[in-house]
Amino acid sequence: GESVGLHLPTLSVQEGDNSIINCAYSNSASDYFIWYKQESGKGPQFIIDIRSNMDKRQGQRVTVLLNKTVKHLSLQIAATQPGDSAVYFCAETPSGANSKLTFGKGITLSVRP
Amino acid sequence: ETGVTQSPTHLIKTRGQQVTLRCSSQSGHNTVSWYQQALGQGPQFIFQYYREEENGRGNFPPRFSGLQFPNYSSELNVNALELDDSALYLCASSLDGRAETQYFGPGTRLLVL
Repeated sequence: GESVGLHLPTLSVQEGDNSIINCAYSNSASDYFIWYKQESGKGPQFIIDIRSNMDKRQGQRVTVLLNKTVKHLSLQIAATQPGDSAVYFCAETPSGANSKLTFGKGITLSVRP
Repeated sequence: ETGVTQSPTHLIKTRGQQVTLRCSSQSGHNTVSWYQQALGQGPQFIFQYYREEENGRGNFPPRFSGLQFPNYSSELNVNALELDDSALYLCASSLDGRAETQYFGPGTRLLVL
């Protein structure tokens, strides 16, 4: 798999490989983080979330890692599939009770068959 | 698909005109947030409505205004349109403003000429 920061616009991976998408956040007061997937013509779709009292959370084929010390968040997608091709955003908020989100710029994940 | 719907899907306006975008929230949700997503960028928080009252606002000028109705549907109004207002406008609904319950609609694509 490959990893890239959100300052680079595109990540291209081979189908079946693992993908790692990184995000650096700036607000040390942020306590709740969400990864979203946005397909063309659609709104952002929730993938996985994590609270600041955790450093890792796993879902189905996805894992989010949080390092509050360096304010870094990553999304790992196992066995990347063509359907994973989309733009991915990280978002932060002061708490899970607060839906006023601050989004990162996003990265396009392109899966090669 | 989420239960959040938006209308229209696309529209074209000219500079100086006014526009109204509409959003129907998911059943059971009482909070609506609006976001502006410029091309190639992450969504930016405009404002949030909770039980018909504005409940927080991002860094947007007063010509961006909104309403929430007793059935919790919402409108976003933009006066004196500028070219830079061209964007995808996203509506998201949640229960009591909780981020973990928030779902996004498909958005309205606005083009200002």
